[in-house]
Amino acid sequence: DGGITQSPKYLFRKEGQNVTLSCEQNLNHDAMYWYRQDPGQGLRLIYYSQIVNDFQKGDIAEGYSVSREKKESFPLTVTSAQKNPTAFYLCASSISPTYKNIQYFGAGTRLSVL
Amino acid sequence: GQNIDQPTEMTATEGAIVQINCTYQTSGFNGLFWYQQHAGEAPTFLSYNVLDGLEEKGRFSSFLSRSKGYSYLLLKELQMKDSASYLCAVSGRAGGSYIPTFGRGTSLIVHP
Repeated sequence: DGGITQSPKYLFRKEGQNVTLSCEQNLNHDAMYWYRQDPGQGLRLIYYSQIVNDFQKGDIAEGYSVSREKKESFPLTVTSAQKNPTAFYLCASSISPTYKNIQYFGAGTRLSVL
Repeated sequence: GQNIDQPTEMTATEGAIVQINCTYQTSGFNGLFWYQQHAGEAPTFLSYNVLDGLEEKGRFSSFLSRSKGYSYLLLKELQMKDSASYLCAVSGRAGGSYIPTFGRGTSLIVHP
């Protein structure tokens, strides 16, 4: 089945540690996105990528890093510089970041700090 | 930048009709989306409006007025499974792309 797979479902981070969240899609979509969702809040854009080897900062990129070496994969690293990382992280993809870019979301990764 | 406003919470009765409003301010408008998100799950696409008017899809309809910066999502014949958060997202221009900005979501509670 085509879709977006995020792993792990739950992740725990220790003080000063970097952690990486995985996002893989087999929809052949060009654009991929990372959002953060806090309780009772909407989705806030962290990073997005339109094509392989290119990505742009979103509204809250500080403390995060991404790579886009393959079309199917867009991993997100939460660095130790992100002081409040506890949140629900959602990865999404769309055919292209232009007209009518309907987004398809993965099931999410819930990150907590130990 | 973009500013999107929708009510935080609404309640309704099973079988009834509910209207969830969304107002927005944006530059380079390229469409408005509605997504449904059940607690702890991923958002799923419901509707897309880019021209003024009403789009109907089964029990769900979405309306857009670009001149007023206003949209609503209409849910008919409410079912218990419609209890969820409804996210309004507006697509605006960012460089050569159109990136949706999401509102905070409206939590809908359907009771018997």
